[in-house]
Amino acid sequence: DVKVTQSSRYLVKRTGEKVFLECVQDMDHENMFWYRQDPGLGLRLIYFSYDVKMKEKGDIPEGYSVSREKKERFSLILESASTNQTSMYLCASSFRNNEQFFGPGTRLTVL
Amino acid sequence: AQSVTQPDIHITVSEGASLELRCNYSYGATPYLFWYVQSPGQGLQLLLKYFSGDTLVQGIKGFEAEFKRSQSSFNLRKPSVHWSDAAEYFCAVGAGEYGNKLVFGAGTILRVKS
Repeated sequence: DVKVTQSSRYLVKRTGEKVFLECVQDMDHENMFWYRQDPGLGLRLIYFSYDVKMKEKGDIPEGYSVSREKKERFSLILESASTNQTSMYLCASSFRNNEQFFGPGTRLTVL
Repeated sequence: AQSVTQPDIHITVSEGASLELRCNYSYGATPYLFWYVQSPGQGLQLLLKYFSGDTLVQGIKGFEAEFKRSQSSFNLRKPSVHWSDAAEYFCAVGAGEYGNKLVFGAGTILRVKS
């Protein structure tokens, strides 16, 4: 079974803090993705990576950065968290243009 | 740009009744199409996918979807809904140069009444 794990299910941070969300996949997938999910808006792509050290902006990259130093790990970084970044964050991975496998999500609250 | 529309935000059906969730997409070429389901507090699970070939696609949990190019639609159906089907359902289209990105619809929340 493909497994995508995320470091935390729930996270509470303060405005201005630097926040790291970690995602690990165990299927040697080349593509990895970070989405945020908000009610009524579906999933919106923040960043994705198609290889180690490669990244591309998604639809809403502002306020976020990413890091992919190893193939299995993809990190999302909020340099200075703000209240409008309170959301559910979902990580996914895929092989080429095939289906994406999702992690359980991290619910981030920024106070 | 690619887009996906799910016209129904909420749908309520009785247990045992049939279900159809609507999905319309905008995409220039032959699309890759997906339906995912998300149970409360969980990540997304793939129900089914269409890449090419037979336009009627069978998925897990008794779901099926039909690709209709003329209507730009990929509606999800189930002949008899179970209470455990209550969840949020997302339609998605493959996008990007290699189709490896997904564009999602806003989702449809399914409620099942007993």
